[in-house]
Amino acid sequence: EVQLLESGGGLLQPGGSLRLSCAASGFTFSNYAMSWVRQAPGKGLEWVSGLSGSGGSTHYADSVKGRFTISRDNSKKTLYLQMNSLRAEDTAVYYCAKQAAGKAYYFDYWGQGSLVTVSS
Amino acid sequence: QSVLTQPPSVSGAPGQRVTISCTGSSSNIGAGYDVHWYQQLPGTAPKLLIFDNSNRPSGVPDRISGSKFGASASLVISGLQAEDEAEFYCQSYDSSLSDFVFGTGTKVTVL
Repeated sequence: EVQLLESGGGLLQPGGSLRLSCAASGFTFSNYAMSWVRQAPGKGLEWVSGLSGSGGSTHYADSVKGRFTISRDNSKKTLYLQMNSLRAEDTAVYYCAKQAAGKAYYFDYWGQGSLVTVSS
Repeated sequence: QSVLTQPPSVSGAPGQRVTISCTGSSSNIGAGYDVHWYQQLPGTAPKLLIFDNSNRPSGVPDRISGSKFGASASLVISGLQAEDEAEFYCQSYDSSLSDFVFGTGTKVTVL
């Protein structure tokens, strides 16, 4: 059974930094691209960042480019999102999501989410 | 800001059929990229409902179907049930943004 478990969320002030983690199990982690998707309170879904199975190719939404860094440790089956220079508008539940096989551009499994609140 | 447009809400009585539209543009759905649908029950993570326009993952009932035409797509829920009350999102890929893109979301209410 595929499981994705996020951790690391919390409350912090504007300008602060935080690292989210997503522990994966139930599939061969290194074979699949992964992404982070966020959802601000009462709002819709927004793709944030993604990277290939090897970690060699990364992509970011314009809203986080230069501030967030996605990475993975395939030996630990863990996905990360380093978030710097946080702003109030980054407040959201952050989900890690597994991309389906091959060139598929959709997410077949999601974690339960980790809440990040940026407020002074 | 979402680049795929959905109606904010749709509703129907138990047993009825509801349709949710998803309108894109020439850089996403109209460019030939597939459309996928997710269901999000209150307080939970999204769940894949339809992939590649019209395919259902294992466990999704056949009263739920999807289709794509031009720069738009639709999700149909037939035989509406109370458990279908949720938020539904379409999703595709946009070549201009080089991003995955989601729809604005549609809340389905069972009357």
